[in-house]
Amino acid sequence: GIQVEQSPPDLILQEGANSTLRCNFSDSVNNLQWFHQNPWGQLINLFYIPSGTKQNGRLSATTVATERYSLLYISSSQTTDSGVYFCAVPKAAGNKLTFGGGTRVLVKP
Amino acid sequence: GAVVSQHPSRVICKSGTSVKIECRSLDFQATTMFWYRQFPKKSLMLMATSNEGSKATYEQGVEKDKFLINHASLTLSTLTVTSAHPEDSSFYICSAYMTGFYYNEQFFGPGTRLTVL
Repeated sequence: GIQVEQSPPDLILQEGANSTLRCNFSDSVNNLQWFHQNPWGQLINLFYIPSGTKQNGRLSATTVATERYSLLYISSSQTTDSGVYFCAVPKAAGNKLTFGGGTRVLVKP
Repeated sequence: GAVVSQHPSRVICKSGTSVKIECRSLDFQATTMFWYRQFPKKSLMLMATSNEGSKATYEQGVEKDKFLINHASLTLSTLTVTSAHPEDSSFYICSAYMTGFYYNEQFFGPGTRLTVL
């Protein structure tokens, strides 16, 4: 099945800093989602981005489907950005998502 | 975005009892819902696909008699952990698929933390 790898696994940021999270996937996909899991466990949809670039406030994402990777940019990080960021892509058949291992982000005040 | 609810958010039970978790899509209909399990500091692991009007399909290694799934309507799926044991303690998360002309996007419930004593 498709493999999804995220890097880095852990990230510590000072409030106000910028960062880039990466998601690599092993096969071509027609769908990619980024999520933020907050400290209470809720997964929040950040982006649905099969290709191209999208922006939402201080967050933006770019997916280069032909090169099988996606990037999530966090600018001017805030303590509320802490949590785990996951990317997920569909498995070969159907709509089942395969999740990457996540990037655990801690933003220090 | 679409809203998915789960109930209960937290449950503690004795070994041997059964626990039912509900997953509802509040503002859209979902013919397909998914159930995931997450261990501490780990990623989400898909357990099964819940299909309205038909049997659930389970991922390899997931016991269907242990984790009973019922998709009673287009907005409700339930997961019943039967004869729960301490090793079933985990964070269970459901999701519902919202489809449109240009997208197929999953939205997640807030999760249920199960502790089996």
